[in-house]
Amino acid sequence: DSGVTQTPKHLITATGQRVTLRCSPRSGDLSVYWYQQSLDQGLQFLIQYYNGEERAKGNILERFSAQQFPDLHSELNLSSLELGDSALYFCASSVEVGGANEQFFGPGTRLTVL
Amino acid sequence: AQSVTQLGSHVSVSEGALVLLRCNYSSSVPPYLFWYVQYPNQGLQLLLKYTSAATLVKGINGFEAEFKKSETSFHLTKPSAHMSDAAEYFCAVSGHNAGNMLTFGGGTRLMVKP
Repeated sequence: DSGVTQTPKHLITATGQRVTLRCSPRSGDLSVYWYQQSLDQGLQFLIQYYNGEERAKGNILERFSAQQFPDLHSELNLSSLELGDSALYFCASSVEVGGANEQFFGPGTRLTVL
Repeated sequence: AQSVTQLGSHVSVSEGALVLLRCNYSSSVPPYLFWYVQYPNQGLQLLLKYTSAATLVKGINGFEAEFKKSETSFHLTKPSAHMSDAAEYFCAVSGHNAGNMLTFGGGTRLMVKP
């Protein structure tokens, strides 16, 4: 158990819908990352927050957005969903933002768009 | 820009045989390198990481990796495979950019035959 929790575990929805994925980082970790894992794109970095502020953006679509709240939990919002958004979405957390810091991954949320 | 290439999307070994999973990286600055393991329906777990302290890095579950700058490689090895090692393995690189997001290779699925 990494200490990072993600809810829900599974999510099935229809095209055009909007969903919210939730992540609680390990106690004491200030940095949260979101990654997408799909068969065709592999594991891709989406976005990072540090202590409530956006720190870095990766290959995140404009239909997707995220935020980190004062209690440090984070939410990833996916809207106008398409079939291609079906993937496993991971949240990870680390203490700091230095490159050597280990990122601890949650169990993921499997999103299926029908 | 950083990138990681994992040679061989599938590797099959017999139980007790040497495990060798290949990883080559590209980075314009000295990188931080990681190996993660993903068991079915689980998140990613860190096996080991290179942060420039020592070129031979020992990790959990008997795995180790050697950083070779001249070859831009960070191959993962284990002297004797166990059935429980069957999983997907990801090599990742992190640098000195704004955050410390991980750039992952495509992954290698390790199969262990009895």
